[in-house]
Amino acid sequence: SQTIHQWPATLVQPVGSPLSLECTVEGTSNPNLYWYRQAAGRGLQLLFYSVGIGQISSEVPQNLSASRPQDRQFILSSKKLLLSDSGFYLCAWSVSQGKFSNQPQHFGDGTRLSIL
Amino acid sequence: QQQVKQSPQSLIVQKGGIPIINCAYENTAFDYFPWYQQFPGKGPALLIAIRPDVSEKKEGRFTISFNKSAKQFSLHIMDSQPGDSATYFCAASSQGSNYKLTFGKGTLLTVNP
Repeated sequence: SQTIHQWPATLVQPVGSPLSLECTVEGTSNPNLYWYRQAAGRGLQLLFYSVGIGQISSEVPQNLSASRPQDRQFILSSKKLLLSDSGFYLCAWSVSQGKFSNQPQHFGDGTRLSIL
Repeated sequence: QQQVKQSPQSLIVQKGGIPIINCAYENTAFDYFPWYQQFPGKGPALLIAIRPDVSEKKEGRFTISFNKSAKQFSLHIMDSQPGDSATYFCAASSQGSNYKLTFGKGTLLTVNP
């Protein structure tokens, strides 16, 4: 069966420090991958999505970037964190049929990021 | 901008009650409407989903009702239990947007014993 792993579960970082959050998927090949941010009372905001290695699409201009160095690995990064980067970051995957389709998205358990 | 408006923001019911969560959308190109359930500290989990060619879908105690002409869909939870207490999100997507999900802001459901 397919599983998705995110780490760390919680992270406290000072303003201006770098960030690297990792997400890996097991049990499937060539998944579509997604990074979301969830703020209290604001639902889930799609940040980045990827249909393959090295292919990243950004939804919202911001202080963050994403990379997909391997088929089932998705990394969220920042060179300098801002206070506004605090939030709950979720990675998700869906089955790829060579394109986007109405396949369910499956979420990891997220990383709670606090910026001090 | 594509939006999905969800209401109410929070809901409290007694055990056995039937909470109803509503969502409305504007984009008539949306053709996939999933509902997600999220417990504290966890990621959302797909609960049930519907496509606009049907007006209702049931899975266990969970039912989606879909009104295409009104551009509304709702989640009903039959015989609600304290274990159903969670945040529920509706979402929508379309082929034209590469099936990227647009989420509602969520409803915090509390089911009292």
